[in-house]
Amino acid sequence: GNSVTQMEGPVTLSEEAFLTINCTYTATGYPSLFWYVQYPGEGLQLLLKATKADDKGSNKGFEATYRKETTSFHLEKGSVQVSDSAVYFCALRGKSSGDKLTFGTGTRLAVRP
Amino acid sequence: DSGVTQTPKHLITATGQRVTLRCSPRSGDLSVYWYQQSLDQGLQFLIQYYNGEERAKGNILERFSAQQFPDLHSELNLSSLELGDSALYFCASSVLQGDTEAFFGQGTRLTVV
Repeated sequence: GNSVTQMEGPVTLSEEAFLTINCTYTATGYPSLFWYVQYPGEGLQLLLKATKADDKGSNKGFEATYRKETTSFHLEKGSVQVSDSAVYFCALRGKSSGDKLTFGTGTRLAVRP
Repeated sequence: DSGVTQTPKHLITATGQRVTLRCSPRSGDLSVYWYQQSLDQGLQFLIQYYNGEERAKGNILERFSAQQFPDLHSELNLSSLELGDSALYFCASSVLQGDTEAFFGQGTRLTVV
């Protein structure tokens, strides 16, 4: 079945540091890939997505590139802010009609001023 | 605002009791998903409905059940509650196609005492 593996947290960074959160996946075919973010006390929000190989999703300074050869979708940001402190979830969804989202375990990011 | 509405936001109940969580999906979304988020187990997929029919089942206990009604809202019923059922329960909705994201509600925080 489908699965997603994320780097364990928590990740603690100083403001303006570079962020990478690793995500690899196992799936049949060519799934769509997503990063969701959960701010404290809130539900999950879509951060970015990529639906085919070599696609780059980007939003709010975050980027992730769909790498089929390494089955990866690592999240990066060049300069984090305190307001980026949240839990980040990598997820995939198969292309078959009605496929559910499969999530990684989440990575907590704390950014210090 | 994701367009997905969950009620109630908070629920405190005693062990052995039964509760019902309600979800109204985004307008036009036929697919509804339920997830459980606990501290020790991350985000766990429970069940998916599409246009009133069960589509996929995850790690859902036999004490839990769900349904989707003709107006597309969904209810998650949790019975014989145990302390370990305390968690955040999220509902998400999406269109059926696999390359689109799911939109999450704010969640219902269930505390079993």
